Amino acid sequence: DQQVKQNSPSLSVQEGRISILNCDYTNSMFDYFLWYKKYPAEGPTFLISISSIKDKNEDGRFTVFLNKSAKHLSLHIVPSQPGDSAVYFCAASETWGAQKLVFGQGTRLTINP
Amino acid sequence: DVKVTQSSRYLVKRTGEKVFLECVQDMDHENMFWYRQDPGLGLRLIYFSYDVKMKEKGDIPEGYSVSREKKERFSLILESASTNQTSMYLCASRGGFPHEQFFGPGTRLTVL
Repeated sequence: DQQVKQNSPSLSVQEGRISILNCDYTNSMFDYFLWYKKYPAEGPTFLISISSIKDKNEDGRFTVFLNKSAKHLSLHIVPSQPGDSAVYFCAASETWGAQKLVFGQGTRLTINP
Repeated sequence: DVKVTQSSRYLVKRTGEKVFLECVQDMDHENMFWYRQDPGLGLRLIYFSYDVKMKEKGDIPEGYSVSREKKERFSLILESASTNQTSMYLCASRGGFPHEQFFGPGTRLTVL
């Protein structure tokens, strides 16, 4: 049973435009969410996170939105750059400080020049 | 910067062999994790450890065991490798920040 789902395996966006990556979850106990970015042949790197007490968190070109009632979060990248081409994973955890993260399947983002 | 290293980038083994994957972190983190990454399935947690000699099963522990004799080192063991264990294996560690995990570069294991 996939508790964290990224329903789009791939996404292609033109350079300079906005990239929107989506993630849905089913476990209402999740209260902390993260996005990781992964280049080929490298481990995932932490990008941005949000706790359930917020509905938005920004860090430079990256913004994460959380809609708790819909159990949905999204990552916005604006403007998109060629270096953003990577696989993006969303992850969720039940409690602050919990050991386990549950990851989605990943979305491969390609930024076209 | 946190550094997590894994003993091999690529590994090819035969069915039935015992396989050791080693992970070392240099930031004195208490928590260490082993995941496997498969296409369409994301990252799935195999085992994790929150202290030396302590371990807990993740979501897919079958066919695997782990060892943590020193704080900086966390080993994943495949007692008798099988072809369905062909995968990318990722090690991670976590310290004071609640949820951010730092990942190693991964080991791509092929079992023939």
